[in-house]
Order: sequence, then C-alpha cells, then structure tokens
Amino acid sequence: GAVVSQHPSRVICKSGTSVKIECRSLDFQATTMFWYRQFPKQSLMLMATSNEGSKATYEQGVEKDKFLINHASLTLSTLTVTSAHPEDSSFYICSARWTPNTEAFFGQGTRLTVV
Amino acid sequence: GIQVEQSPPDLILQEGANSTLRCNFSDSVNNLQWFHQNPWGQLINLFYIPSGTKQNGRLSATTVATERYSLLYISSSQTTDSGVYFCAVDASGGSYIPTFGRGTSLIVHP
Repeated sequence: GAVVSQHPSRVICKSGTSVKIECRSLDFQATTMFWYRQFPKQSLMLMATSNEGSKATYEQGVEKDKFLINHASLTLSTLTVTSAHPEDSSFYICSARWTPNTEAFFGQGTRLTVV
Repeated sequence: GIQVEQSPPDLILQEGANSTLRCNFSDSVNNLQWFHQNPWGQLINLFYIPSGTKQNGRLSATTVATERYSLLYISSSQTTDSGVYFCAVDASGGSYIPTFGRGTSLIVHP
C-alpha cells in the first residue's frame, strides 16, 4: 500500500509555544489530506480537510486560528498548533488519498504533550 | 451526517478463536475501509471494500451496501491481532470525507 509519513511522532512543548506537524505522502500525489484528533480510548475526530493549493475546510468547533493547516504541495500538508495549551495535548493523525474515490492512507500519528 | 455504528465495542478472545466484527451505516456510501490501530497508534489499512467480499490471509470482509453494513471476519486469531478495529465510510453525495465508527477493541489472550 501507499506510504504516508508523519513527523514528529512525539513532541513535548511548553505552554504558549507553537508546534508544527508534517504529513507527507511518499509514493503518491495526494489531492486531499485530512487531519484527525484522537483522545484516549476514543475514535478519530475529523478536524479539517485540505486540498492542495486551497484553504483548508475546518469542522465545526475547530479553531482555524489555533490549528493552522497548509497543503502547500501534492505531497505535503502541515498542521501548526499555535499558542499551545495543555488541553491541546492529544494524538494527531493525518491521512491522504490520491483522489476522492480512492483508499485513504494514514500517517503514524503525533503524540503532542503540552506542559 | 452519516452515522457509523460498530459492534461489539469490546471483544476478548482466546488465541485460535474466530470472530466477526460488524459495521452499520445510516446512509449509502461511496467508500468503506477497515483499519487496525496497533498499540502505538498506527492505523493499518485492512480492506478497501465499498461492496463485495475480499480476503487477505486470516482476514476477510464483506460489505452489503444495499443493506448498509459490513462485516470483518478474523479467523484463528493471534495475540498480534489485538488492538482496535475501525470502520470508516464516505457518505454518498460528494463529500468524500471518511467518517469513523467508535471501533471494536479486541484483546487476544495466549
């Protein structure tokens, strides 16, 4: 299957700082990427959908100024958590698909801890 | 939006046992996938199966789109099968956004 690489896998940051998470599709061009958040023992909650070259579409309740998403190329999307607070601590997972009607592949996830 | 329900929520098996996991969805779908989330959080693609039946080793899946459900079969379970199994669907209508069920947590004891 296709490979989606997400970095870093784990990050600890101080409250008030910003953290950038990268999501790369290594062997295919992803027209669409998704960012999810997962709390312990819960399902994946969609945060936003990004299409290459256009602004991300955020789900209701997700602060677009806090969670900045940039889909700069067909192989790279980034999620920046700005002015992080302890309540932003979570597991963040990206996903990419070649075209809308194809299989979605997921990155390894990033465990963010804000202290 | 589309509702995705998975059952059972929890499952405990002895190694070697067989099991069936179910995914019900409330509307017609374009895509359906099954995933296994391992203890490190990685989502492993098991099946891309909007309809029909597929098999891969000890695992197989069947989706009956007209009746809005999918089944994942695990035969001769192994301890490495432990983890959470998720079903994700894209509702018909053009959004093409995967919506996840709550998952089935599987523990396989040796």
